[in-house]
Amino acid sequence: LAKTTQPISMDSYEGQEVNITCSHNNIATNDYITWYQQFPSQGPRFIIQGYKTKVTNEVASLFIPADRKSSTLSLPRVSLSDTAVYYCLVVPGDTGGFKTIFGAGTRLFVKA
Amino acid sequence: ETGVTQTPRHLVMGMTNKKSLKCEQHLGHNAMYWYKQSAKKPLELMFVYNFKEQTENNSVPSRFSPECPNSSHLFLHLHTLQPEDSALYLCASSPGPGLAGGPGSYNEQFFGPGTRLTVL
Repeated sequence: LAKTTQPISMDSYEGQEVNITCSHNNIATNDYITWYQQFPSQGPRFIIQGYKTKVTNEVASLFIPADRKSSTLSLPRVSLSDTAVYYCLVVPGDTGGFKTIFGAGTRLFVKA
Repeated sequence: ETGVTQTPRHLVMGMTNKKSLKCEQHLGHNAMYWYKQSAKKPLELMFVYNFKEQTENNSVPSRFSPECPNSSHLFLHLHTLQPEDSALYLCASSPGPGLAGGPGSYNEQFFGPGTRLTVL
């Protein structure tokens, strides 16, 4: 499984756009990039997943360059409730197995 | 509500007790997972089951014994635990190959609320 590296923590203010970058230099052809969000004392929640280029949903956007060695999670106009830990994972595609490794994640703190 | 429930939500047990954690998913998924999250540590994958068959055992001590009687239910039997086993235990499920959303989404995991375990 490809290892991921992301900042340990980030601070932001309400209303700002937050970009969290993740490095995954050893990503395999069959791998997908997945982001989860976790609030204290809760299980992680899936945010977004992508393979290449750009993916957007109602929560976030995910930007993946052509070489796929990194990705950026973009949260538009964050609010206090977006304070959480954000995990970047590289997961195998179909039939690639179920093993998933959560790293330390990025602790985002949104201030008023 | 994620469609994954866990009971109990909180559990306090002594080192000589035997207890079980229960997880149930109502999503029609084929794969189920147990994770351990200790204070200020990343989630650690413990076990994975796909179609009731164990596919991953991440070198978990034998005092943790999983059981998956069907694709909707997953148990974690606990016996002679240590204080360092105190943690949040999370259950998750995912669709599995060939289901919902295409190849990239087959292991999108839906987590339960967790069981907060304290071993005295």
